[in-house]
Amino acid sequence: NAGVTQTPKFQVLKTGQSMTLQCAQDMNHNSMYWYRQDPGMGLRLIYYSASEGTTDKGEVPNGYNVSRLNKREFSLRLESAAPSQTSVYFCASTPRGGQVNTEAFFGQGTRLTVV
Amino acid sequence: AQSVTQLDSHVSVSEGTPVLLRCNYSSSYSPSLFWYVQHPNKGLQLLLKYTSAATLVKGINGFEAEFKKSETSFHLTKPSAHMSDAAEYFCVVRQNYGGATNKLIFGTGTLLAVQP
Repeated sequence: NAGVTQTPKFQVLKTGQSMTLQCAQDMNHNSMYWYRQDPGMGLRLIYYSASEGTTDKGEVPNGYNVSRLNKREFSLRLESAAPSQTSVYFCASTPRGGQVNTEAFFGQGTRLTVV
Repeated sequence: AQSVTQLDSHVSVSEGTPVLLRCNYSSSYSPSLFWYVQHPNKGLQLLLKYTSAATLVKGINGFEAEFKKSETSFHLTKPSAHMSDAAEYFCVVRQNYGGATNKLIFGTGTLLAVQP
């Protein structure tokens, strides 16, 4: 009963380093999302993937890239980390983007600190 | 465009008293609305959702919310607060326009404190 799994759970990076956050879901969902959560700002959408093979920018895409590797996996890459990217990152999935009645299922989050 | 406003960033109640967390939304089309809860250092859990069926929606842990189209509101209530309700609550809107992806838009959150 894994649902949405994110790795790693915690990470500390130095400014300028790169890393990839991994996300996988085992619910056969079509759509996947990456959000960042900052105090007082709720969750803001970074990128999303409506279906395998497609990706689109969300509200705050600058400094990030994504890859929808297959239906299960959606990764988020920071090419050159900056302190402003210190945040908690959540991956989410939904059965199909067009089905508005369906809620999103979230991973447990990745707490990233850039020093 | 769609948006959601949570009117209080912090709410403090005493255990056993009612809870009211306020949410207003803006949407050009008929929306779906959700409330999520996040306990400290945890992920997000769905409390309840409105999907154009009954306007009064019951969720988990005794929470409920009423969709009021005329007021564009979706306030979350609970008759009697419990210590375990202390958490951050997010109101979320999803616009129904039949597109390939209907993104979830989050409010900025309301931190609920429950005093003994």
